[in-house]
Amino acid sequence: GENVEQHPSTLSVQEGDSAVIKCTYSDSASNYFPWYKQELGKRPQLIIDIRSNVGEKKDQRIAVTLNKTAKHFSLHITETQPEDSAVYFCAADFSSYKLIFGSGTRLLVRP
Amino acid sequence: NAGVTQTPKFRVLKTGQSMTLLCAQDMNHEYMYWYRQDPGMGLRLIHYSVGEGTTAKGEVPDGYNVSRLKKQNFLLGLESAAPSQTSVYFCASTTTGINEQFFGPGTRLTVL
Repeated sequence: GENVEQHPSTLSVQEGDSAVIKCTYSDSASNYFPWYKQELGKRPQLIIDIRSNVGEKKDQRIAVTLNKTAKHFSLHITETQPEDSAVYFCAADFSSYKLIFGSGTRLLVRP
Repeated sequence: NAGVTQTPKFRVLKTGQSMTLLCAQDMNHEYMYWYRQDPGMGLRLIHYSVGEGTTAKGEVPDGYNVSRLKKQNFLLGLESAAPSQTSVYFCASTTTGINEQFFGPGTRLTVL
């Protein structure tokens, strides 16, 4: 079936350290993989995305890697800051413009 | 340009009552979505629409109905609310060639 698994559910890191969140997806036909950040009480917002024809994409302190063969992708945040504290969701497309989301990771960056 | 808006922001219902949540977007987007967000369960797709007059079921459609009579509006209906439908409901939209889904501010619904 259509499924995206996300780990860990919670992650606590010291400010300045790196954080990694991992997701796996069930459909080998998926080719679009976005990551959303949701701050407390706010709406989810896209922070980075990757397509299946690319193995890695970076945007300043955040990067996403994709392994199509293994059907998993990861979010990497380097030099974490307190403002990175939020819930992060991965997602994968299961048909044109239909996303299935992972269950979310609550990231806490300790000052 | 307001983006995606949702009405109401908060609502408390009694079991068995009905209500309609309204999502509106002013970006001329073809695709619209309704999600529910529960603690530890992420965003689950309820129903979605790929264009005016069309709707399709998502992951958790039971107990909900939707309509897309106008391109800019996507309505989510609860015919007979149940406590299990207590959740935060998000609407989102996107258009061809963008992929990014733009979310509304959410509606917090409590069913007693």
